[in-house]
Amino acid sequence: QQQVKQSPQSLIVQKGGISIINCAYENTAFDYFPWYQQFPGKGPALLIAIRPDVSEKKEGRFTISFNKSAKQFSLHIMDSQPGDSATYFCAAKEVNRDDKIIFGKGTRLHILP
Amino acid sequence: DAGITQSPRHKVTETGTPVTLRCHQTENHRYMYWYRQDPGHGLRLIHYSYGVKDTDKGEVSDGYSVSRSKTEDFLLTLESATSSQTSVYFCAISGLGGGKATQYFGPGTRLTVL
Repeated sequence: QQQVKQSPQSLIVQKGGISIINCAYENTAFDYFPWYQQFPGKGPALLIAIRPDVSEKKEGRFTISFNKSAKQFSLHIMDSQPGDSATYFCAAKEVNRDDKIIFGKGTRLHILP
Repeated sequence: DAGITQSPRHKVTETGTPVTLRCHQTENHRYMYWYRQDPGHGLRLIHYSYGVKDTDKGEVSDGYSVSRSKTEDFLLTLESATSSQTSVYFCAISGLGGGKATQYFGPGTRLTVL
């Protein structure tokens, strides 16, 4: 069964700190790894994504680190703010399967003011 | 929410009754999806559609059926609702191309089965 394993399930970080969420996978056919952000009462929305040919991608305070050999990737939120409090999902897609995304189980992040 | 609406947004029903949830898109995307979201389980795919009248099962399809008679509408039906189907249901559409498979989600429908 194709899986993306996400940890931790929940995370509390002080304002200004670094939030780190980790994901691991087994399927080497995955070729695209997006992260989704979901605020309470809303649907998930694409935050940032990476392909396995690069080891890092940064957009503002959000960075994805990718370790192809370890089959792991992580989301780092620098200078975490209370507005970043949300649920984050990592995900993965197989090559030539643009029709389907496999989601992790999510991490509920709370930033203390 | 990328031109996606879901109706109803909230529904309370009783065990054994049929329920239909509607997803409507204005983006003319080919792919549409129904997910359910439950604490500790994340997003689980129920069914998806890759065109009018073309659908396929996801990982949690038992007890659910879908129909897509028009590009813009994707219906999810619970033939006989059970308490285990109490959940938040999300519709998504996919903007394919470039190998990115970005999915855009609707606002969700909160369903309570008593």
